[in-house]
Amino acid sequence: EVQLVESGGDLLQPGRSLRLSCVASGFAFDDYAMHWVRQVPGKGLEWVSGISWNSGSIGYADSVKGRFTISRDNAKNSLYLQMDNLRPEDTALYSCAKAMRERSTVGATAPDSWGQGTLVTVSS
Amino acid sequence: SYELTQPPSVSVSPGQAARITCSGDALPKMFVYWYQQKSGQAPVLVIFEDTKRPPGIPERFSASNSGTMATLTFSGAQVEDEAVYYCFSTDHSGNLWVFGGGTKLTVL
Repeated sequence: EVQLVESGGDLLQPGRSLRLSCVASGFAFDDYAMHWVRQVPGKGLEWVSGISWNSGSIGYADSVKGRFTISRDNAKNSLYLQMDNLRPEDTALYSCAKAMRERSTVGATAPDSWGQGTLVTVSS
Repeated sequence: SYELTQPPSVSVSPGQAARITCSGDALPKMFVYWYQQKSGQAPVLVIFEDTKRPPGIPERFSASNSGTMATLTFSGAQVEDEAVYYCFSTDHSGNLWVFGGGTKLTVL
């Protein structure tokens, strides 16, 4: 069974930095692209970033480009999201998600499994 | 920036057919995926690569992608299908994913 467990969410002030983590189990993590998706409670889903199985392909939403950095450590079955210069509009539940198909680039296949998310609140 | 447009809400009586549309100008060249999200739960993939159903998704869920519009169809909606449905696809570059704004399906 695929399990994705996010951590690192916090309450912090605008301009600060935060690193989210996602630990995966139940599948061959190093064979799959991964994504971060966020959702403001009560609002719609927003794709944030994705990374291919070998980190060779990476993509970011325009809203976070230049401020967020996605990375992964296949030896630790872990996905990360480094968030810098945070803004109030970054407040959301952040979830990691596993891509459907093996050995794909970021844009080749969408997620088929999601974690429950970790809450990030940016407020002064 | 690229956008996918969905109607905010669709209502249907139990057992009746319902359709949710998603429009975007890159859809002729890009796959569409559909997710179901019930209140307080993580999204569930119900359609992938335009028309395919994952294991466990009922046959009453079907979809198409033609021109600049994709459609999710319920052949006979059930009360348990009440949820918000999101379409998901990439822009023309194929590297930037975008969700539609979501459609609340009400079955009553």
